[in-house]
Order: sequence, then C-alpha cells, then structure tokens
Amino acid sequence: ETGVTQSPTHLIKTRGQQVTLRCSSQSGHNTVSWYQQALGQGPQFIFQYYREEENGRGNFPPRFSGLQFPNYSSELNVNALELDDSALYLCASSLSQGLADTQYFGPGTRLTVL
Amino acid sequence: GESVGLHLPTLSVQEGDNSIINCAYSNSASDYFIWYKQESGKGPQFIIDIRSNMDKRQGQRVTVLLNKTVKHLSLQIAATQPGDSAVYFCAENYGGATNKLIFGTGTLLAVQP
Repeated sequence: ETGVTQSPTHLIKTRGQQVTLRCSSQSGHNTVSWYQQALGQGPQFIFQYYREEENGRGNFPPRFSGLQFPNYSSELNVNALELDDSALYLCASSLSQGLADTQYFGPGTRLTVL
Repeated sequence: GESVGLHLPTLSVQEGDNSIINCAYSNSASDYFIWYKQESGKGPQFIIDIRSNMDKRQGQRVTVLLNKTVKHLSLQIAATQPGDSAVYFCAENYGGATNKLIFGTGTLLAVQP
C-alpha cells in the first residue's frame, strides 16, 4: 500500500451535475497530481498541486479545477459533467525535492456519468 | 504530440519464463522513467524507475533498460509468476517545474500456469 487514499471509491452522476473527489497524500508528501484514466487507456495528467498552488496543468478544460489544503490533501472538482468524463480518477502524491520525483498512486475513484 | 507508446499490447508467457515488455518514448528531453503495474480495479503500483544518466537498473526480479539513442525502454521480469499478471505502463517525466508523467496505453501481461 502507498498510503495514498481516495474517496469515494465509486460515484454515479448524471450529465450536467458537479462532483468533488478527494485525496489524502502519503505522509510527508507535499505534492499531489491528478490523472484521468479512461477504460483501456493510460492515465492522462490533469493538474498538479504543490504547497497549495497549481503547479502545471494538462489539456483539460477549466471545468476541471482543484484545491490543495495545508495538510497537503487535495480535491478535484468537475463541473457540468459530460458523458466522456466517465473514467477512473487517480491521485498521486510525491515529495518534491528539485528532481523528478516518484509518484505514488491511490486506488482511484470510479466515476460514471449517465 | 506527447506520447509514450508500447510495442506489444498483450504479452502471454508461461509461469517461470522471463518476460520482456517494451516501450518507446517520444521526448528526448525526458530525464526520468518509471514502470508501473496496474491490477484490475487498483491504482498503478510503482515497480522500478531509472534516470536518464543510467542505462540499466535492477530491482528484485525486475530490470529496466534505457536506450536513449533510440528512445526505448524495457522492463524485464525474471521467473514470471501468476501474481505478475497485470497491465504494465511505462511513463516518462519531462522534468522541469511540473512533475508531469506521460503514460502509454499499457501492455497486458498474462501468465499461464
């Protein structure tokens, strides 16, 4: 186990709704990255938070937003859900030390949009 | 565009054999590479990593080889076991301010008893 936890495990929403996913990073880690994994695909980078600030973003629209809290836990918010948002959402934590750092993943949240 | 691709989407091996999973990466500036194992319904699990100043790194039953000349990465698993059955992803890190990983689509390793 990596010590990275995510909630909820599964979630079903309808198109147009909003969703919040949560992630607790591994103890001592100050960086959280979020990824979207469609079925049969590799994870796609959404964004990263370092010390409560967004530190890079992938090719996702503004309706994907996030937060990082002082304890380094994080939230991913998605507004105006679309059917294509159905995926496994993964968070990964790491300790930024100036070099590329190993990212440890949580179990993911399976989001289904109907 | 950004991509990390795999040559073989499915690899079937006999228990006890050695497995080799290959990966081509696209960005010659990438300086860090990771192999992850993902079992059904779980998040990716770190296996082994390698930095661009190395060409080989060994772990327990696993070896990663990096060929920067042809932008190729491979994962070797010795004495493959049924518990090794999973999807394997290579990922590259572009470095810089954002610790962003670019993943390929994965290779399914099926170990036959």
